[in-house]
Amino acid sequence: ELKVEQNPLFLSMQEGKNYTIYCNYSTTSDRLYWYRQDPGKSLESLFVLLSNGAVKQEGRLMASLDTKARLSTLHITAAVHDLSATYFCAVGGTSGSRLTFGEGTQLTVNP
Amino acid sequence: DTEVTQTPKHLVMGMTNKKSLKCEQHMGHRAMYWYKQKAKKPPELMFVYSYEKLSINESVPSRFSPECPNSSLLNLHLHALQPEDSALYLCASSQVDLIQYQPQHFGDGTRLSIL
Repeated sequence: ELKVEQNPLFLSMQEGKNYTIYCNYSTTSDRLYWYRQDPGKSLESLFVLLSNGAVKQEGRLMASLDTKARLSTLHITAAVHDLSATYFCAVGGTSGSRLTFGEGTQLTVNP
Repeated sequence: DTEVTQTPKHLVMGMTNKKSLKCEQHMGHRAMYWYKQKAKKPPELMFVYSYEKLSINESVPSRFSPECPNSSLLNLHLHALQPEDSALYLCASSQVDLIQYQPQHFGDGTRLSIL
């Protein structure tokens, strides 16, 4: 059974600081996704990572994938308040379209 | 605005009522999903439809009954729900072609409260 662990689960940081969210998964997978969810809102797709060593960047967020270590990171650079949200990683299993989500990281960026 | 539209946005119902949640997408996606999300938890997969056929049922109680009338629409029929079924119900869609590995696109959800 595929298990996905995120840490930290809660992250409070100051504006302008850098931090990294980690996503570990237990079995081989060929696709990993990062989503953002604002309170009471839908999930917004941020990144799709498909190969070992993949790195994608959008604004102050950068995601990477190490399939050998079964680890993905979401790095936040010079955080701003607008980044406050819950971030989920989701890993694709071997059967069809099923995704297994991590518990989510609730990020709060303080002025 | 999301490309997956869910109605209603909010629903309050009694345990003996019958209601339906609706989801619509016009992105040409042939896979559609229902998820249940409790507060501060990740989405939990309930059902997956692929080419309008039910392909995954995650052992969901029969009081939840999905229906996919065509490639753009997905319904979730509700009957005799329990208070613990109160949650945000999210619909999503995606390409079926796994080679593309495109992300699932989520609707804004229906917030369901069972009295």
